[in-house]
Amino acid sequence: QKEVEQDPGPLSVPEGAIVSLNCTYSNSAFQYFMWYRQYSRKGPELLMYTYSSGNKEDGRFTAQVDKSSKYISLFIRDSQPSDSATYLCAMRNTGFQKLVFGTGTRLLVSP
Amino acid sequence: ETGVTQTPRHLVMGMTNKKSLKCEQHLGHNAMYWYKQSAKKPLELMFVYSLEERVENNSVPSRFSPECPNSSHLFLHLHTLQPEDSALYLCASSQEGGDGEKLFFGSGTQLSVL
Repeated sequence: QKEVEQDPGPLSVPEGAIVSLNCTYSNSAFQYFMWYRQYSRKGPELLMYTYSSGNKEDGRFTAQVDKSSKYISLFIRDSQPSDSATYLCAMRNTGFQKLVFGTGTRLLVSP
Repeated sequence: ETGVTQTPRHLVMGMTNKKSLKCEQHLGHNAMYWYKQSAKKPLELMFVYSLEERVENNSVPSRFSPECPNSSHLFLHLHTLQPEDSALYLCASSQEGGDGEKLFFGSGTQLSVL
């Protein structure tokens, strides 16, 4: 079993739709959870960062962590064509530990 | 320049060539990383340098040789690579002891091995 599971997609939605991206994980020791966005021919950029369980909102983006279910989500409201990218979840334990990444979900938002 | 800069952006090399990838970070961070990104696979951590010392070598073949002369520069020396080494190689930096989990990535070097 992979430590982090993420559906590769692609996920195609019309402009204005609410997008839900998800990851499941197996290591209950993970405490820090991140979402990175990667545009084509670019490196990943940090989009959202949360510690432990709960929700975090930043503009049109909301990150949710459910540690009891080992499940994290990223919601995008009012999706735009500029949101078309690959979204990578990442997580790690406390201390200076390496990040474990998902494979990424490719999102396509059509005008 | 700001952020993390990688050169070259694209590289095509034969299996007998020797080449080097370069990374420079302008963020004042004290840790630097090399990652490999292949299609349909998670990012694979290759090497970590913290305070210019290598702290992790993730079972990477010896045909990949990292070098970190100072906290702002990182190199990946390549020799006698295999076609399966073709991938996007990403450099990243972070501030250990601060938000160490917040990695800042460069745009990567797309490597093709013929």
